[in-house]
Amino acid sequence: QVSLKESGPALVKSTQTLTLTCTFSGFSLSTSGMRVSWIRQPPGKALEWLARIDWDGERFYSTSLKTRLTISKDTSKNQVVLTMTNMDPVDTATYYCARHAHDYSNFYNWFDPWGQGTLVTVSS
Amino acid sequence: DFVMTQSPDSLAVSLGERATINCRSSQSVLNSLNNKNYLVWYQQKPGQPPNVLIYWASTRESGVPDRFSGSGSGTHFTLTISSLQAEDVAVYYCQQYFSTPYTFGQGTKLEIK
Repeated sequence: QVSLKESGPALVKSTQTLTLTCTFSGFSLSTSGMRVSWIRQPPGKALEWLARIDWDGERFYSTSLKTRLTISKDTSKNQVVLTMTNMDPVDTATYYCARHAHDYSNFYNWFDPWGQGTLVTVSS
Repeated sequence: DFVMTQSPDSLAVSLGERATINCRSSQSVLNSLNNKNYLVWYQQKPGQPPNVLIYWASTRESGVPDRFSGSGSGTHFTLTISSLQAEDVAVYYCQQYFSTPYTFGQGTKLEIK
């Protein structure tokens, strides 16, 4: 059974760097085609895709946030890490990691399943 | 970037009635090579992550009740709930996966009238 869980600080201060870890089970990020993304959601607001990392290390980023984001993976630990620099109160959100959907050897770019999310509050 | 716009922002429908949510993309999400629309619909209930309802614009996810259906092509899409049930109260999002950066609509909040 596939599961993902986000972890990291619940509270960070403005200008600090946020580091979030997604720990997953039930699949391997070394499997050809496998992909994991981070998505966030400010309280009461819409979803925003942040970044994606692939089994081969290829990375993709949000256009508006790419200068602040770094996504990385530790395949041996079944973890994906997201760092976001220069945090601001507008970055207050629930941060989700999600595996990209797949069946057999086909991989897709919608998200299924998702972790439960972790709420990060940025104080000024 | 693709801009996804949903309408309406909120919707109140009586139990047993039809609910219709629209999603428009600023660019076509139809891949002419395979004739597939790269659009997915999610349902999000309070305090939970989103769940996939419909992918390829019209393919229902396994286990999703058949009262949910998706239609449309190119830049205009619709999610229809044929007979609203109490458990359908949620926020619904469309997302394009035609290209990165992936983008979501702003969400449509569905309530019972």
